[in-house]
Amino acid sequence: NAGVTQTPKFQVLKTGQSMTLQCAQDMNHNSMYWYRQDPGMGLRLIYYSASEGTTDKGEVPNGYNVSRLNKREFSLRLESAAPSQTSVYFCASRIVGEKLFFGSGTQLSVL
Amino acid sequence: TQLLEQSPQFLSIQEGENLTVYCNSSSVFSSLQWYRQEPGEGPVLLVTVVTGGEVKKLKRLTFQFGDARKDSSLHITAAQPGDTGLYLCAGGGGDSGYALNFGKGTSLLVT
Repeated sequence: NAGVTQTPKFQVLKTGQSMTLQCAQDMNHNSMYWYRQDPGMGLRLIYYSASEGTTDKGEVPNGYNVSRLNKREFSLRLESAAPSQTSVYFCASRIVGEKLFFGSGTQLSVL
Repeated sequence: TQLLEQSPQFLSIQEGENLTVYCNSSSVFSSLQWYRQEPGEGPVLLVTVVTGGEVKKLKRLTFQFGDARKDSSLHITAAQPGDTGLYLCAGGGGDSGYALNFGKGTSLLVT
């Protein structure tokens, strides 16, 4: 049982480049989330999807787009990467009201 | 965004000491969750508190939810090096209640 799988684990981009972070869960969870983690800032919610077919902005959505492709997959896209988007990104999923299951994270550097 | 304030931000203590970490908000939460994160990994749930005034124990860790459901605390008795990590509280938010927002965390070092 893989849980929450994120790819890639590491990525280096140049300013202005685009990329998509992939996330898939095999636990039949309805809700999926994207967070970024920066030193001293805890986890900040970028976007979430309460259920298949819906997405909502979190605390820090600017510069990001998301797609809930199906119940299993929730991708995060950076259209034009900026140095301020250098961070560790975590995908998570859950049944609402229960605990979050996290992926192992993507370390992104934007030069 | 329902703001969760955690204190202290950093804590460095000797093995065997006791400590308390606080999570405060001006908002009322239906529940609060506590997570622990180790370097290079995603957070892992420790406990969920639901009822105002509730106290839950997990070995040497004691969690309390405030009577008004606006705050919570985590007390560790006789800390051990294995308790080292980032402790995060999280509560529901957003218009739909599906969002889960985190505090900035308390980084604990036990030596």
